[in-house]
Amino acid sequence: AQKITQTQPGMFVQEKEAVTLDCTYDTSDPSYGLFWYKQPSSGEMIFLIYQGSYDQQNATEGRYSLNFQKARKSANLVISASQLGDSAMYFCAMREPGNRLAFGKGNQVVVIP
Amino acid sequence: NAGVTQTPKFQVLKTGQSMTLQCAQDMNHEYMSWYRQDPGMGLRLIHYSVGAGITDQGEVPNGYNVSRSTTEDFPLRLLSAAPSQTSVYFCASSLTRGASREKLFFGSGTQLSVL
Repeated sequence: AQKITQTQPGMFVQEKEAVTLDCTYDTSDPSYGLFWYKQPSSGEMIFLIYQGSYDQQNATEGRYSLNFQKARKSANLVISASQLGDSAMYFCAMREPGNRLAFGKGNQVVVIP
Repeated sequence: NAGVTQTPKFQVLKTGQSMTLQCAQDMNHEYMSWYRQDPGMGLRLIHYSVGAGITDQGEVPNGYNVSRSTTEDFPLRLLSAAPSQTSVYFCASSLTRGASREKLFFGSGTQLSVL
């Protein structure tokens, strides 16, 4: 069964606007970690943000924030004030204790001036 | 800091050839893994290792072998390349063998084409 679901089609977003990327996950373990990675056209995988299942507050890292809704098993990434350099593929991932990092299929974002 | 180093960056093989993708990390990480990335499929785990001498299969292990003789190195071997193995391969590592808060550090990837 797929553990991470990212179903949005490719998105176009206007520069300086905010964009939300959806991610839902499936686990029965109470302890887990959620991650977002960015993959620009150059191909490297860049870590953006982490949210632990026991964290009380939503994670934030600069212009990135994670809208964590535990009961809904949702971990959406919010990018504020989009920049041209934000054009990339974005991957949501989950890690359970003692287990591998499982990735979703990704969301493509194109920022237009 | 070199981080996770993968070689080669690009490789073209003929069907049936064998080759080894190299991965080395200098961060003393226990956990190392190999993923393949195909369009529309995200990243899928091939094999992983939680320490020297310990390896295990991931989601798509067929056609690949790994070994972990040292903490630093985790090579991926294609025994008899097939066109279905055309993909981008990523090596990734993390400090511990699987705490849920451990993020992965990625290499820069290897683009492999099998003709």
